[in-house]
This record gives sequence, C-alpha cells and structure tokens, in this order.
Amino acid sequence: DTEVTQTPKHLVMGMTNKKSLKCEQHMGHRAMYWYKQKAKKPPELMFVYSYEKLSINESVPSRFSPECPNSSLLNLHLHALQPEDSALYLCASSQDWARRLYEQFFGPGTRLTVL
Amino acid sequence: LAKTTQPISMDSYEGQEVNITCSHNNIATNDYITWYQQFPSQGPRFIIQGYKTKVTNEVASLFIPADRKSSTLSLPRVSLSDTAVYYCLVDGGSYIPTFGRGTSLIVHP
Repeated sequence: DTEVTQTPKHLVMGMTNKKSLKCEQHMGHRAMYWYKQKAKKPPELMFVYSYEKLSINESVPSRFSPECPNSSLLNLHLHALQPEDSALYLCASSQDWARRLYEQFFGPGTRLTVL
Repeated sequence: LAKTTQPISMDSYEGQEVNITCSHNNIATNDYITWYQQFPSQGPRFIIQGYKTKVTNEVASLFIPADRKSSTLSLPRVSLSDTAVYYCLVDGGSYIPTFGRGTSLIVHP
C-alpha cells in the first residue's frame, strides 16, 4: 500500500468553528508532513513529525494545531481560522527525515474554505 | 537554505523531448536534488532524485553537472497527460523540503 489518504476532501467552515483534518499512511514511514498550498503557488511546509515527535514548526499560527497520535496517523486541528487560511492542505509521508530528504508520498489534499 | 530557480512556464508538443532546468547555485555538499510533478487539485508526485551525474528511471532522466549548481529534468516523448507543474527541490542541508515556484509545462497536440 503506497497511498496516503486524507479526509475530508472538502471542508467549509466558519471563523468560529473547530474542525480537524486527518491523514493516514500504512507504508511504515516515520516522517509525516503538513503543507499548505494556495492557488498557483508551491506547497509551503507547515509541520514535520519525525518518529511521532514534532520536529519542525515553520512559524505556523497557533490556530493550526498538529497532532500525531501514532506512526500512521496525522491530524491538523483547526480553530478560529481566517478567510485567508482557505487553501489546499496536503499531507505527506516519507521513510525517514533528518538524515536526508527522502521521497515524499503526498495525499490528494483537503480543500478548505473559511467563510 | 538553497534557493532554486526554474522557468515559470514552458510549451511543448506531443512526442517531443522536454528539458526543464533548475539552478541552485548555493547547493550544499549533502544536498540531493528532487523533482516532483503536480496536477491541478492533486498532491505532488515524486518523479526522480539524484546527487550527481545522471539518473534515469522509467519516466524521466536527471542530469547533474559536476559543479551541481544546476540540474535538468528530461522528459522523453511527452504526451498531453504530462501537462503539469514540475518542481525542483534542494533540501538546503537542513532537510526542510522547500518547493520553488515550479515550471508549468503545457503540452500541445
């Protein structure tokens, strides 16, 4: 199984809502990533988890809260978002991290719209 | 972090070979060069990765000169389905994946 799955595919939320994005992989990868991608822009790294520990936080606002419950799952909890947070949120995994940049496997993304 | 520079867009025709060059002047000794392909509203897909000289797989070739300050992704005999954005990544020695602006390739019939 070489697939990264993300749910939901689409999400519309108000600025006062709390929601969560979910990501799952069963490739035995020990590194997992969250990216944000705006239209016609490259993906921007938000967080990196390595062996279930948060290793990189690219100065992301606290209204985004990542969680890695186990080695196969990655969540992104959303609270009090702004309309400018509307974007495609991508999850990825790789064999390892912090020794070199391994091939990343990306999920299809969650299209988030904040009203 | 090593910064990458690619052409913003390229046009080609079916059956032609396409070469996309990426410059990365301050690449570090430990850095690998990785290329991804992305279709609209999908996640990027790994194409190829290399450290030096030439790497070839079933979909592409990657040419890296001796000074490693640039690299060229070569797509043989493109088809309409190769229309996508192609990203070059250099991990900058800190293993933080940083996507450049990407090259939008349009393949015409």
